[in-house]
Amino acid sequence: KAGVTQTPRYLIKTRGQQVTLSCSPISGHRSVSWYQQTPGQGLQFLFEYFSETQRNKGNFPGRFSGRQFSNSRSEMNVSTLELGDSALYLCASSRGDETEAFFGQGTRLTVV
Amino acid sequence: QKEVEQDPGPLSVPEGAIVSLNCTYSNSAFQYFMWYRQYSRKGPELLMYTYSSGNKEDGRFTAQVDKSSKYISLFIRDSQPSDSATYLCATLPPRGNQFYFGTGTSLTVIP
Repeated sequence: KAGVTQTPRYLIKTRGQQVTLSCSPISGHRSVSWYQQTPGQGLQFLFEYFSETQRNKGNFPGRFSGRQFSNSRSEMNVSTLELGDSALYLCASSRGDETEAFFGQGTRLTVV
Repeated sequence: QKEVEQDPGPLSVPEGAIVSLNCTYSNSAFQYFMWYRQYSRKGPELLMYTYSSGNKEDGRFTAQVDKSSKYISLFIRDSQPSDSATYLCATLPPRGNQFYFGTGTSLTVIP
């Protein structure tokens, strides 16, 4: 059974640019959550999608957005990148019915 | 108050030791608890998933939930250098869709 796939694994962007990250969940999983992980803050919740609907959103500025497609694949977009956006971005998939979540390997974003 | 609190460590133990990793949570309604292991520059890997109170064992790992004190623990027996990683506890409220994570405990097992 394939795991959660995130692409790309690494990205280097310049301040002010925008970036799109992709996440393919485990087959049959309909919930995808996104997290930002930095050494000082740990895992910070960005948002959660279930069947193409955003059900929950963390405390991040509107520059961070996401969407989910009918095949449950999800993308997150960060516009007008700032240096502080440098982090490991993780997505997690679950069935969405109070079961455990499984993470991808993450996308490491560096903003220069 | 954060939903989940975790001692960040770092924790350093000799090979073969028993390791105890702990978290506390704030809401007595939480019923689903998870432990993840994260190696450097990798995504978290699910180790244990438990529901409500009690113990769950998987090989050298035992997860314990004490709902009366809102305390969750992960015990690692016969620790190995390959157990060196950051361990994250997490919880999911009933009918919830947002997981709450501790900040992680860094563990080093010295050969």
